[in-house]
Amino acid sequence: DGGITQSPKYLFRKEGQNVTLSCEQNLNHDAMYWYRQDPGQGLRLIYYSQIVNDFQKGDIAEGYSVSREKKESFPLTVTSAQKNPTAFYLCASRLYSKNIQYFGAGTRLSVL
Amino acid sequence: AQTVTQSQPEMSVQEAETVTLSCTYDTSENNYYLFWYKQPPSRQMILVIRQEAYKQQNATENRFSVNFQKAAKSFSLKISDSQLGDTAMYFCAFMKHEITQGAQKLVFGQGTRLTINP
Repeated sequence: DGGITQSPKYLFRKEGQNVTLSCEQNLNHDAMYWYRQDPGQGLRLIYYSQIVNDFQKGDIAEGYSVSREKKESFPLTVTSAQKNPTAFYLCASRLYSKNIQYFGAGTRLSVL
Repeated sequence: AQTVTQSQPEMSVQEAETVTLSCTYDTSENNYYLFWYKQPPSRQMILVIRQEAYKQQNATENRFSVNFQKAAKSFSLKISDSQLGDTAMYFCAFMKHEITQGAQKLVFGQGTRLTINP
């Protein structure tokens, strides 16, 4: 089945630790996005990538990093500089010919 | 910067009733897209309906329809014959048309929690 796969579903981070969230898509979509969702708030954009080896900061990029070495993969690293990482993280992708973003099932990150 | 406002944090209706969720947005752009996404308890974000700002006709998808009022910057979602499976968070979202296509980003409202009661 085609789709967007996020892993793991649940992730725990220790103090001072970097953790990486995986996002893979087999839809041959061009652009990929990372959003953060906090309780009582809508989604906020962390980073996005239009093409391989290129990415731009979104509204809340501090404490996060990304890479786009392959078209189908866009991992997000939550660094120790992110002081409040507990949230639900959603990855999305989009085909240029359609103005619609499709989402993965998300990763819940918690701090131990 | 664009903003999206959903003024109803929670709503509750009986099964088979019709319910309308409100959304207003603020933009100086003339060319943009509006969306309603549904997030059920599984937390998967699912596209419900999309509207292109240059189209005057309101979008419909089966039991879901919108009332798009461009001058008023209003984009409400109507769910007819509501079903238990419609219980979810509903998010209104705005996307500005960008010349660079990959730069098109979604701006979300805070969501409305809709409960359909049996």
